[in-house]
Amino acid sequence: DAGVTQSPTHLIKTRGQQVTLRCSPKSGHDTVSWYQQALGQGPQFIFQYYEEEERQRGNFPDRFSGHQFPNYSSELNVNALLLGDSALYLCASSLGIQTEAFFGQGTRLTVV
Amino acid sequence: AQTVTQSQPEMSVQEAETVTLSCTYDTSESDYYLFWYKQPPSRQMILVIRQEAYKQQNATENRFSVNFQKAAKSFSLKISDSQLGDAAMYFCAYNSGSSNTGKLIFGQGTTLQVKP
Repeated sequence: DAGVTQSPTHLIKTRGQQVTLRCSPKSGHDTVSWYQQALGQGPQFIFQYYEEEERQRGNFPDRFSGHQFPNYSSELNVNALLLGDSALYLCASSLGIQTEAFFGQGTRLTVV
Repeated sequence: AQTVTQSQPEMSVQEAETVTLSCTYDTSESDYYLFWYKQPPSRQMILVIRQEAYKQQNATENRFSVNFQKAAKSFSLKISDSQLGDAAMYFCAYNSGSSNTGKLIFGQGTTLQVKP
């Protein structure tokens, strides 16, 4: 079992650009959540996807959008990147919403 | 809104000794879950221990145990016989049991240093 896999592991983008981050959930999991973790801080919930729909969203602007595919994998898109978007982006998967969430190793995004 | 507070930015412990990490939370709900996650330099969040609010018995996982005080809204993690591999950032997290969401609310984290 490969667990939760995220790609890429590191990424450098320029202000104003757009970025797409990818997540493959743990085998058998159907729910994917995305978190943003600034350096030295706790993760902040961005949104959660289940059955290809966004079911809950945190306090993030519309520049942050996502998608879930029929195979349960997910993408996080961020438009018009700001320097403040530099962070570690974590993906977590679970079976349903109340079971244990398994995390990937994250994508380190640096905006210059 | 629920909040989670970890008031110890950094802690250190001697190898083989015991250390306790503190966490308090605020909620008006009666049904919820609490977690401790470990994040080593590899960045991957690893679940250490989980506590259901309706259970009075404190959860235990090998060398890790919690002291869950529901009335005081306190949820501390005790690590016994500390090992070098325990060095990491530890996060306390809250999940609502009644609002039909898997959203985790994290504290600010505590960096644990283990001295040989």
